[in-house]
Amino acid sequence: GNSVTQMEGPVTLSEEAFLTINCTYTATGYPSLFWYVQYPGEGLQLLLKATKADDKGSNKGFEATYRKETTSFHLEKGSVQVSDSAVYFCALNAGGGADGLTFGKGTHLIIQP
Amino acid sequence: GAVVSQHPSWVICKSGTSVKIECRSLDFQATTMFWYRQFPKQSLMLMATSNEGSKATYEQGVEKDKFLINHASLTLSTLTVTSAHPEDSSFYICSAIGTGASYEQYFGPGTRLTVT
Repeated sequence: GNSVTQMEGPVTLSEEAFLTINCTYTATGYPSLFWYVQYPGEGLQLLLKATKADDKGSNKGFEATYRKETTSFHLEKGSVQVSDSAVYFCALNAGGGADGLTFGKGTHLIIQP
Repeated sequence: GAVVSQHPSWVICKSGTSVKIECRSLDFQATTMFWYRQFPKQSLMLMATSNEGSKATYEQGVEKDKFLINHASLTLSTLTVTSAHPEDSSFYICSAIGTGASYEQYFGPGTRLTVT
């Protein structure tokens, strides 16, 4: 079956540090890959996505590249801010259409000033 | 735009009773809605997919008679937990897909259910 594995948290960094949150997946076919962010008390919001191999998704300074050879979609940001503190979920859509998502467990990111 | 709401945000009920959770797309029409369940420190697990006007499709292992899903309009889906038990206590999250071609899912803020 399909699965997503992401690094466990919490991850605590100082402001302006470099961020990497690892995500690897198992899926049949060619899934679409996503990173969602959940701020306290809010619903999940799409942060970025990639739909095919070697695509790079980017948004708000965050980037992730779809690596088919390593089945990975690691999230990176060059300089984090306190406002980036949230829970980050890696997810995949194996069907490519109006299908439910398979999520990782989420990584709680804490940025200290 | 693309806001999804859930009501209630939290609910406490006694064992054996039923509780209904609503999921609404506020500013778009949702042809498909999804219901997820999240345990503490666990990932979101897809429970079922509901399409407006048709029966929901449940994931393997999800009891359809216990978790009743109704998607009666393009802006509302409901999840009813029937004869609730303490093990049904969880965080329930819905999402919705609009009528566009992107299939992007918009998530509600979730409903915390506690069964005593």
